[in-house]
Amino acid sequence: AQSVTQLDSQVPVFEEAPVELRCNYSSSVSVYLFWYVQYPNQGLQLLLKYLSGSTLVKGINGFEAEFNKSQTSFHLRKPSVHISDTAEYFCAVSDKTGGSYIPTFGRGTSLIVHP
Amino acid sequence: DARVTQTPRHKVTEMGQEVTMRCQPILGHNTVFWYRQTMMQGLELLAYFRNRAPLDDSGMPKDRFSAEMPDATLATLKIQPSEPRDSAVYFCASVRDRGSTDTQYFGPGTRLTVL
Repeated sequence: AQSVTQLDSQVPVFEEAPVELRCNYSSSVSVYLFWYVQYPNQGLQLLLKYLSGSTLVKGINGFEAEFNKSQTSFHLRKPSVHISDTAEYFCAVSDKTGGSYIPTFGRGTSLIVHP
Repeated sequence: DARVTQTPRHKVTEMGQEVTMRCQPILGHNTVFWYRQTMMQGLELLAYFRNRAPLDDSGMPKDRFSAEMPDATLATLKIQPSEPRDSAVYFCASVRDRGSTDTQYFGPGTRLTVL
């Protein structure tokens, strides 16, 4: 079974500063990687996903992530954050198991953007 | 704008009472997941269905929890009897299930408080 480690439970940052949220996963032959965001009192929504091809994936709201197979990482980045980016961010990994889609989620990283 | 709906959004009940949570997946999505989110455990997968058939409910306490899909437009999660430790936010998510590359669409959640 896959496992996902989000190394930071909380990341405080000032507005307009760059940010990186880290994600590592246990190795597997073929994985698909996702980042979801959860705003307060809402469900999770997809930011971006890596399926194949270019290792740099661009998502919504100016976020991007880079898949690094050798380091089994999929870190999320944004060059300049806004107050509205304050939210919980979840990394997830899935592989094909039993013919169905079973994602494994990390524990989440709380991004706190200060003015 | 298709979305997953969940009812109720909030539920406060007393220990020992039955709780039923409902989820309407996005039309055409054939895979439905139930998750529980707490501060201590993060996001836990409780059960999931594909084409209305339960595929895995190993994450669910069998003695008190039950999950069903009476039809393709309704998934239910019941707790009987409820206990204070069941207090959490319960999310439903649906997927079109074209494979493990698909995005999960989450509902807004049901916040359950058991007194």
